[in-house]
Amino acid sequence: GAGVSQTPSNKVTEKGKYVELRCDPISGHTALYWYRQSLGQGPEFLIYFQGTGAADDSGLPNDRFFAVRPEGSVSTLKIQRTERGDSAVYLCASSLLKNGFNYGYTFGSGTRLTVV
Amino acid sequence: DQQVKQNSPSLSVQEGRISILNCDYTNSMFDYFLWYKKYPAEGPTFLISISSIKDKNEDGRFTVFLNKSAKHLSLHIVPSQPGDSAVYFCAAREAGNMLTFGGGTRLMVKP
Repeated sequence: GAGVSQTPSNKVTEKGKYVELRCDPISGHTALYWYRQSLGQGPEFLIYFQGTGAADDSGLPNDRFFAVRPEGSVSTLKIQRTERGDSAVYLCASSLLKNGFNYGYTFGSGTRLTVV
Repeated sequence: DQQVKQNSPSLSVQEGRISILNCDYTNSMFDYFLWYKKYPAEGPTFLISISSIKDKNEDGRFTVFLNKSAKHLSLHIVPSQPGDSAVYFCAAREAGNMLTFGGGTRLMVKP
């Protein structure tokens, strides 16, 4: 597609449940990023993929969070045993990395996760 | 420890006047700085950027200034228009590819 697509746009789940958030990046973009934006704050880095592998997962808050990108395109962010503090907008971005240069991010519209 | 800070959570400006949004950072290893604009229910969209080797970059009504010695950058919008009303995020990159964002400034341009 023309832009970064994230589904669902909204997700309400009960505390303790498992959720999956999907990101479909711009075709041909090699790098994919997940960020989390809590109310009144800026986006915070979670994890970054270069191709299929996680190049940097230092932003994942704990082991309940996991992300995959098995074919180097679509990525899924998985959250186990959700807690109310996980409520936030989860943003995905993709970019084209060429010759070591990052040609800028394009963000999706985000998934608003609400844990009740 | 916030490495990128936007100390003004909101700014109100009259249409046609200049809007100045400020951003401070602490990490001297940041080599690239960006400004993003965000409307409700949409993802951030890229506005303008500046490399650490420059002190000014201009694109139409938008100009970004970088003062490396003060670890400060600012975004100037002139003239401001009601359609500029949004949340503006300052972001910085260090060597790798992840961005560190400030907390955002909500700009309101009044007609």
